[in-house]
Amino acid sequence: EDKVVQSPLSLVVHEGDTVTLNCSYEVTNFRSLLWYKQEKKAPTFLFMLTSSGIEKKSGRLSSILDKKELFSILNITATQTGDSAVYLCAAVNSNYQLIWGAGTKLIIKP
Amino acid sequence: GAVVSQHPSRVICKSGTSVKIECRSLDFQATTMFWYRQFPKQSLMLMATSNEGSKATYEQGVEKDKFLINHASLTLSTLTVTSAHPEDSSFYICSARLDRIYGYTFGSGTRLTVV
Repeated sequence: EDKVVQSPLSLVVHEGDTVTLNCSYEVTNFRSLLWYKQEKKAPTFLFMLTSSGIEKKSGRLSSILDKKELFSILNITATQTGDSAVYLCAAVNSNYQLIWGAGTKLIIKP
Repeated sequence: GAVVSQHPSRVICKSGTSVKIECRSLDFQATTMFWYRQFPKQSLMLMATSNEGSKATYEQGVEKDKFLINHASLTLSTLTVTSAHPEDSSFYICSARLDRIYGYTFGSGTRLTVV
């Protein structure tokens, strides 16, 4: 059965800290891995990763995929209170369906 | 960018009634739409995959007669919750697949409360 596991489930840090969120997957006919940020409503897209070892960056956020070890990490540097959210990762299977992790709830304290 | 418009954003209905949720792709053609539900503090759960012009494919444990999905055109997919019960109260989100670079786009979600 396809599954995606995220860790930690929740994380509380102070503003300015750097955080690393983990996502491991076991998906048949894996296509890609996606990271999303969810606040109050629908998830907003962060990254799509298809190739191993290539870091993607967007401002203070970066992510990388390891297809050999079947995991991805999402890094956030110099965290701000606005980064507080649930971060979801999802693996895309051969049918283009998303297999979702349970999410990491990140709380940034001022 | 590609936008999926989802309506209503919030609905309260009585037990036993039916509720229709619409998702429209505004500036692209969505041949495939995914429907999810999300319980509080939990991740998204795929309910079904709908393809334009054909029957939806439902995930195991999802009642197809209760959650009717129609994808009659390339820009509109609907989810109808029939004979709603309080346990159907949840957050429902649709999603359309875009392309290799941007992945998927989501509707803004519908908060359904059945009283």
